[in-house]
Amino acid sequence: DAGITQSPRYKITETGRQVTLMCHQTWSHSYMFWYRQDLGHGLRLIYYSAAADITDKGEVPDGYVVSRSKTENFPLTLESATRSQTSVYFCASKRSGTATSGNTIYFGEGSWLTVV
Amino acid sequence: DAKTTQPNSMESNEEEPVHLPCNHSTISGTDYIHWYRQLPSQGPEYVIHGLTSNVNNRMASLAIAEDRKSSTLILHRATLRDAAVYYCILLDNAGGTSYGKLTFGQGTILTVHP
Repeated sequence: DAGITQSPRYKITETGRQVTLMCHQTWSHSYMFWYRQDLGHGLRLIYYSAAADITDKGEVPDGYVVSRSKTENFPLTLESATRSQTSVYFCASKRSGTATSGNTIYFGEGSWLTVV
Repeated sequence: DAKTTQPNSMESNEEEPVHLPCNHSTISGTDYIHWYRQLPSQGPEYVIHGLTSNVNNRMASLAIAEDRKSSTLILHRATLRDAAVYYCILLDNAGGTSYGKLTFGQGTILTVHP
């Protein structure tokens, strides 16, 4: 049961570089999410996707780009990394369904990104 | 989105019950009450959820007030592995493409003493 995996787990990059964080889930869940977690801010939603080719902005989307060409993958790209994007990034997924049967959201283990 | 209020931190002793409160006075009729927890250096994990009735699963129990304006997560016998940040979250069942977004607050840091 592979579940949801993120890569890389740890990354150090320089300001201005493009970085892509990968997220892969093996459950064929319809919904996928990207969150970032910073001290003092808790978890904040960056982008989410309800299905392949359907994405929407969350609370803090600026500086990020997402795509979802396949149901199982939801990469997050920092087009030009800035120090303020140093954070822990969590990918998550959820299957479609009613509130009683499809509510559980599963998170990956996180990607620790440092921008220097 | 309706907001939740939780204490910043709580402490417990190992093998004792823990009651983690959550206030959600602006909850709507379509909001489900969810609890997630985050262990150190890990992603959040689902604990339990409910709508109106009390709920039990292998991890915990959820007690929901009759007016639904508050709820309590109950860990029946705390272990050291239960030390985590616990988040109480309202999840709208209204449907649509936004369905399933979690809005995290600061949560409650639970410390378990041996």
